[in-house]
Amino acid sequence: DAGVTQSPTHLIKTRGQQVTLRCSPKSGHDTVSWYQQALGQGPQFIFQYYEEEERQRGNFPDRFSGHQFPNYSSELNVNALLLGDSALYLCASSSPGHPDTEAFFGQGTRLTVV
Amino acid sequence: QQQVKQSPQSLIVQKGGISIINCAYENTAFDYFPWYQQFPGKGPALLIAIRPDVSEKKEGRFTISFNKSAKQFSLHIMDSQPGDSATYFCAATSGGSYIPTFGRGTSLIVHP
Repeated sequence: DAGVTQSPTHLIKTRGQQVTLRCSPKSGHDTVSWYQQALGQGPQFIFQYYEEEERQRGNFPDRFSGHQFPNYSSELNVNALLLGDSALYLCASSSPGHPDTEAFFGQGTRLTVV
Repeated sequence: QQQVKQSPQSLIVQKGGISIINCAYENTAFDYFPWYQQFPGKGPALLIAIRPDVSEKKEGRFTISFNKSAKQFSLHIMDSQPGDSATYFCAATSGGSYIPTFGRGTSLIVHP
């Protein structure tokens, strides 16, 4: 079991550009959540996808959008990048249909906006 | 607004010592309190978790103490080892959402 996999691992973008990050959930999981972790901070919830729909959303602007595919993999898109978007972006998968499961995190994508 | 407050921000202990990290929460709807361990370059990994119907949970060298009336919980790492050096996050969830609200983290360094 490969666990949660994210790509790419590192990315450098210029302010104003757009970026797409990708996540494959742990086998058997159908729900994907995205988090932003700024340096020295805890992860902040961006949104969660289930059955290809955005189910919950945190306090992030519309520049942050996502998508979930029929195979449960997911993408995070960020438009009009700002310097403050530089962070580690984490994907977590879970399966709420199973009690007492928890969120498994990927290793993250380190985004640097210059 | 920080819904889960964590302290200290950093902690240095000697090998064999006890590491203690404290957290407090405000939202009484929280009903699941996990702790995550994060090594550099890795995502957080679930370490141990507790529900508010018990006051303590122990797994090996790791113990969570929970005080529902005070809305506080803490992680104790007994016999701390250099391999425990990592950042620890307390978190809280509600309603089976499995969307943790994280504290700001504690950087633990265990000296040999």
